[in-house]
Amino acid sequence: AQSVTQLGSHVSVSEGALVLLRCNYSSSVPPYLFWYVQYPNQGLQLLLKYTTGATLVKGINGFEAEFKKSETSFHLTKPSAHMSDAAEYFCAVISNSGYSTLTFGKGTMLLVSP
Amino acid sequence: GAGVSQSPRYKVAKRGQDVALRCDPISGHVSLFWYQQALGQGPEFLTYFQNEAQLDKSGLPSDRFFAERPEGSVSTLKIQRTQQEDSAVYLCASSLFTGLSTDTQYFGPGTRLTVL
Repeated sequence: AQSVTQLGSHVSVSEGALVLLRCNYSSSVPPYLFWYVQYPNQGLQLLLKYTTGATLVKGINGFEAEFKKSETSFHLTKPSAHMSDAAEYFCAVISNSGYSTLTFGKGTMLLVSP
Repeated sequence: GAGVSQSPRYKVAKRGQDVALRCDPISGHVSLFWYQQALGQGPEFLTYFQNEAQLDKSGLPSDRFFAERPEGSVSTLKIQRTQQEDSAVYLCASSLFTGLSTDTQYFGPGTRLTVL
C-alpha cells in the first residue's frame, strides 16, 4: 500500500528565508503525488501535483516540488517565505484502490517569523 | 462558482447521541469523498461515492458510521451512538470525474465534531 512520511511536524523559518518541507513516499507503482495547504479553520487547498512528465512541478503562491524517484522523495520548496505562508502542509499520494482516494502524511506546520 | 460546503461547521454531541453531517459538493462533480482528520493528524479516508453509488467504504471505522448520497449530489455522514474517539474534523471533497487519479479533489471547510 502507498504511504507518505513527512519529516518534521514543525518547521520554523524567517520571512524571506528558503522554505523546505520534506516528504518521502512508499509506493509499489509509479505514484501520483500531491501537496495540500490547510489554513486555520479552512479546508485543504491544492498547491501542486505530480502525475507524469516533468519532475519539477510548479504550483501556486511560488511553491514548487521535485519528484525524485531514486530518493522516493517529493520535497516542497519556496525560495522566499512570506508571513502568509504560515499554515499546515500535507503531502499525499493516490491510493491503489482504483478510486483516487488520497493517503496523507501527518502534516508539517510551517511557522514564519518576521 | 461555489466551492464545497459543509454543515454544521461545529457540532458538540453528548456521548451516545446520533449526529448527521452534511456535504454539498461542487455542482456537477461525480466523485465525493469523506475523510476524518483527528487532532494533529493528516486526513484519513472514510468512504467514496460515484454519483449515488457508494463504491468504497473500507475506511469507515465501525458500523456506527453510515454515509449516503441518494440523488448523487448532497451527501450525509451519520454517526450513531457517538463515542469520544469520534471527535475529529470531518472533511468532504469532490472531484469532477471518476477513476482518474490525477483529478483534483476540492475540499470543504470541514465539520468539527466534539463528543463530550
